[in-house]
Amino acid sequence: AQSVTQPDIHITVSEGASLELRCNYSYGATPYLFWYVQSPGQGLQLLLKYFSGDTLVQGIKGFEAEFKRSQSSFNLRKPSVHWSDAAEYFCAVGSTSGTYKYIFGTGTRLKVLA
Amino acid sequence: DVKVTQSSRYLVKRTGEKVFLECVQDMDHENMFWYRQDPGLGLRLIYFSYDVKMKEKGDIPEGYSVSREKKERFSLILESASTNQTSMYLCASISGGTTFGGAFFGQGTRLTVV
Repeated sequence: AQSVTQPDIHITVSEGASLELRCNYSYGATPYLFWYVQSPGQGLQLLLKYFSGDTLVQGIKGFEAEFKRSQSSFNLRKPSVHWSDAAEYFCAVGSTSGTYKYIFGTGTRLKVLA
Repeated sequence: DVKVTQSSRYLVKRTGEKVFLECVQDMDHENMFWYRQDPGLGLRLIYFSYDVKMKEKGDIPEGYSVSREKKERFSLILESASTNQTSMYLCASISGGTTFGGAFFGQGTRLTVV
């Protein structure tokens, strides 16, 4: 069955520090993988996506993510966090065959210290 | 500008009422989804539809049904609203086939059942 795990519910980092948010998935093949961000009171915005090819993908706002098939992971990274990055981040998995089931993890809330 | 529009931003309904949540997209997407978002639980998939009149249950379909009579419209129905269905409901649409990509979300409907 298709599933997504984000093991960290909350993460706190200082402004300027690096960031890594973890995402693990379960799927029978290589799925489509996505990261979204939701700022308070806002809708979800797509940060980046992975379909195939280069396992390191670049997204908006300086984010990147690396797909590691051996670890079933798709971790999100940013070298230097800005206060405006404080938000909730969701990893999502889309099925690559049949009907396009699309499911989300439980989210990681990021707090940025000035 | 692409749009996914949910009919109501806020709704208050009484226990036992039949509730309709409407979602319309203007992108000619095949795939549409209904999620509910609750703190700490992320976005949970209720139902999705991959074509007109086609639907599949998501992870939490109990107490809900859906209707997709036209490609652009996907309705979520709470047959008999209960207080545990108080939540934020998000509709999303996604293109299919080789253009399968990120989800476009509506602004959400915050439903309160009293």
